[in-house]
Amino acid sequence: DTAVSQTPKYLVTQMGNDKSIKCEQNLGHDTMYWYKQDSKKFLKIMFSYNNKELIINETVPNRFSPKSPDKAHLNLHINSLELGDSAVYFCASSRRQQTSTDTQYFGPGTRLTVL
Amino acid sequence: AQTVTQSQPEMSVQEAETVTLSCTYDTSESDYYLFWYKQPPSRQMILVIRQEAYKQQNATENRFSVNFQKAAKSFSLKISDSQLGDAAMYFCAYRSYTGNQFYFGTGTSLTVIP
Repeated sequence: DTAVSQTPKYLVTQMGNDKSIKCEQNLGHDTMYWYKQDSKKFLKIMFSYNNKELIINETVPNRFSPKSPDKAHLNLHINSLELGDSAVYFCASSRRQQTSTDTQYFGPGTRLTVL
Repeated sequence: AQTVTQSQPEMSVQEAETVTLSCTYDTSESDYYLFWYKQPPSRQMILVIRQEAYKQQNATENRFSVNFQKAAKSFSLKISDSQLGDAAMYFCAYRSYTGNQFYFGTGTSLTVIP
């Protein structure tokens, strides 16, 4: 069974469009994350949600808005896409945010290409 | 701010041989956690091994082991009996005990030569 899943796996779109990436975890975890991996493979956290509340909101443009309808889902909506948004976006989840021993489990990633 | 440095962008190893990937980090905290993640061409991030900073004993997981040197702030990964399936990008990661942050290094691309 897939633990953390993301859809779509690939997303190609025009500059200026609005798009969403969905993430679901079936591990019963309380905390979910979004990461961005750029072309140089650098991985940086964007958001973290703990029990549907935003915990981290790193300095990402407000064109990016995470939405968590329940603790098993954390979707990423991106408005007015720009060329620099092209990257691989990873969703992850962990059991508890405060307990740092809890390992983060990553999804397969979504490769976003903005033309 | 914490930083994680992987000084080897690329490494290669002969099949069945042993290879060590380096990782250093910078922190002022005494309690924290360190991880090695593997990212194969499928792009999925897979946890390889985890180390708690308060534990002196080095973590091991089958063919994977770490050399954790807390004073030197070094956390290297040793892969024994390398297999073709070990070929991937390997990321070292740091997580503070109380913080919300998870810092990754820039990765080391490992090639396994048959």
